[in-house]
Amino acid sequence: RKEVEQDPGPFNVPEGATVAFNCTYSNSASQSFFWYRQDCRKEPKLLMSVYSSGNEDGRFTAQLNRASQYISLLIRDSKLSDSATYLCVVTRAGGGNKLTFGTGTQLKVEL
Amino acid sequence: SQTIHQWPATLVQPVGSPLSLECTVEGTSNPNLYWYRQAAGRGLQLLFYSVGIGQISSEVPQNLSASRPQDRQFILSSKKLLLSDSGFYLCAWSAQDNQPQHFGDGTRLSIL
Repeated sequence: RKEVEQDPGPFNVPEGATVAFNCTYSNSASQSFFWYRQDCRKEPKLLMSVYSSGNEDGRFTAQLNRASQYISLLIRDSKLSDSATYLCVVTRAGGGNKLTFGTGTQLKVEL
Repeated sequence: SQTIHQWPATLVQPVGSPLSLECTVEGTSNPNLYWYRQAAGRGLQLLFYSVGIGQISSEVPQNLSASRPQDRQFILSSKKLLLSDSGFYLCAWSAQDNQPQHFGDGTRLSIL
């Protein structure tokens, strides 16, 4: 089983739609969770951290379910500029703040 | 604010040639530093990480090495490049454990 698993997509949605991505992780000892966004041929950029109580940043909402070991990202009112690959990221044991990156879910927002 | 610089942005090298990629961080002290590689259509693979000057941990056996001669400088090197070394190389830093990592712009390396 992969340490972090994501549906690769692509998710093709119309502008204004609501879209949700899920991610599962295998290491129950993981302590920190993040969503990154990566545009084509660019570096990943931090979108938001994911907190146990869930958190929201504008149109983006992240949820963590430790019991089931999954993380979700909800995007409301999708914009064309939201088109990108969304990477699910979790910390792993061993010190040095090593992160495990999922391979990403591709989102395409269309007119 | 903290910034991370990585260069060059693109590099084309012949098989068997040496490599040196440099990464520097500004605006923070004693960061954790990381080198990743992303092959086309693949996820990020951690190559090396460093928690301090001269402290390097290698994640996977490979043709590459890393060094941290100064607190905010991280260098990725190879004596002889292989075709399989092609990819998108990313340097990242984080403040401390359980904090997010922040990436440089990356170097796209093509081996001919």
